[in-house]
Amino acid sequence: EVQLVESGGGLVQPGRSLRLSCAASGFTLEDYAMHWVRQAPGKGLEWVSGISWDGGNVAYADSVKGRFSISRDNSKNSLFLQMDSLRAEDMALYYCARPAAGFFYYYMDVWGKGTTVTVSS
Amino acid sequence: EIVLTQSPGTLSLSPGDRATLSCRASQSVSSSYLAWFQQKPGQAPRLLIYGAASRATGIPDRFSGSGSGTDFTLTISSLEPEDFAVYYCQQYGGSFTFGGGTKVEIK
Repeated sequence: EVQLVESGGGLVQPGRSLRLSCAASGFTLEDYAMHWVRQAPGKGLEWVSGISWDGGNVAYADSVKGRFSISRDNSKNSLFLQMDSLRAEDMALYYCARPAAGFFYYYMDVWGKGTTVTVSS
Repeated sequence: EIVLTQSPGTLSLSPGDRATLSCRASQSVSSSYLAWFQQKPGQAPRLLIYGAASRATGIPDRFSGSGSGTDFTLTISSLEPEDFAVYYCQQYGGSFTFGGGTKVEIK
């Protein structure tokens, strides 16, 4: 079964850091670009960041550029999101998502259940 | 950045009704790279439609997508009880943006 499982969320103070992980199973991670999408409480979906299959191409939403860093370890079937200088507006449920056919900019057909990030003092 | 505007914000309908959801883009969406997702409370988004009109695997044929350029529509031909949810459109033509969502609620 194709599956994505996020972890690493939690309560963090403004200005601090957090590292999210996404464990992939049921498919070969290195065949796919991967993305992070977030959803603030009661709000809509927002694309956060994406990474190509080999990590050579990365992209970020303007709202997180310079503060977040995406990476991957294909040998461990894992995707990561390093979040620094966290702000209240970063508080959200963070989803890991896989685009179909491995293309970077493509529709996302597999989603994890998400991990919650709470930013509060 | 392409901005997607969904309307209406809320649609109040009864089971068996036809639902028509709109997604309008601020500029043309290349190659009809437009997807629709369904999201229920406490669940991850579920892909319904991609390429504006292609149904994803396992999606019932009561769901259909249409449109091109800047105007796209998701139609649910006859609402089932499990279809009451929030629906998002997303464009993926060189960047990613989501619409604000349409909630389909029971009247």
